[in-house]
Amino acid sequence: GESVGLHLPTLSVQEGDNSIINCAYSNSASDYFIWYKQESGKGPQFIIDIRSNMDKRQGQRVTVLLNKTVKHLSLQIAATQPGDSAVYFCAENGPRNDYKLSFGAGTTVTVRA
Amino acid sequence: DGGITQSPKYLFRKEGQNVTLSCEQNLNHDAMYWYRQDPGQGLRLIYYSQIVNDFQKGDIAEGYSVSREKKESFPLTVTSAQKNPTAFYLCASSTWTGNNQPQHFGDGTRLSIL
Repeated sequence: GESVGLHLPTLSVQEGDNSIINCAYSNSASDYFIWYKQESGKGPQFIIDIRSNMDKRQGQRVTVLLNKTVKHLSLQIAATQPGDSAVYFCAENGPRNDYKLSFGAGTTVTVRA
Repeated sequence: DGGITQSPKYLFRKEGQNVTLSCEQNLNHDAMYWYRQDPGQGLRLIYYSQIVNDFQKGDIAEGYSVSREKKESFPLTVTSAQKNPTAFYLCASSTWTGNNQPQHFGDGTRLSIL
């Protein structure tokens, strides 16, 4: 079955440094991937998505990389700020007729001042 | 503002009681979803609905029921058959265009047992 997992449950980053959050997925048929940010007591907030026909996509201070060969997804946050402290989830979606997202367990990012 | 509104923010259930969680969206999204989140875990899909008057079971539907009488509303009932209902419940919605689109979430309802 499908499974999505993050490599590390926690990540501590110095303010101003770049953060890299990793995610592995097992379903080679997945063709859509999303990164979410969840702050304490709130719902997940959409950060960025990428489709399987792309290797890289950039947003504001964030970059998502997709390596389909090794089924690996990463989220890079540039110049990490205290407001970036949160739990980050990757999610994958299977073939186009299946709109159910599968979520990883999340990585907790803590930004040190 | 457009968005997804979940209510109440906190809810307490007594033994043997059914409780209903509200989810309303004004994004004109066709699809709506209910997830359950337990501490330190990812989200698990309970039910989803692609269109009014139709819904499908997710991975953990047992002990839950839903209805979709209006496009804007997708209430979730946690029945007494759900023996471990304490969790954070999240509602989401998305467009349904035949191509994957991101799901957007409300701020959740935290359900606890009295």
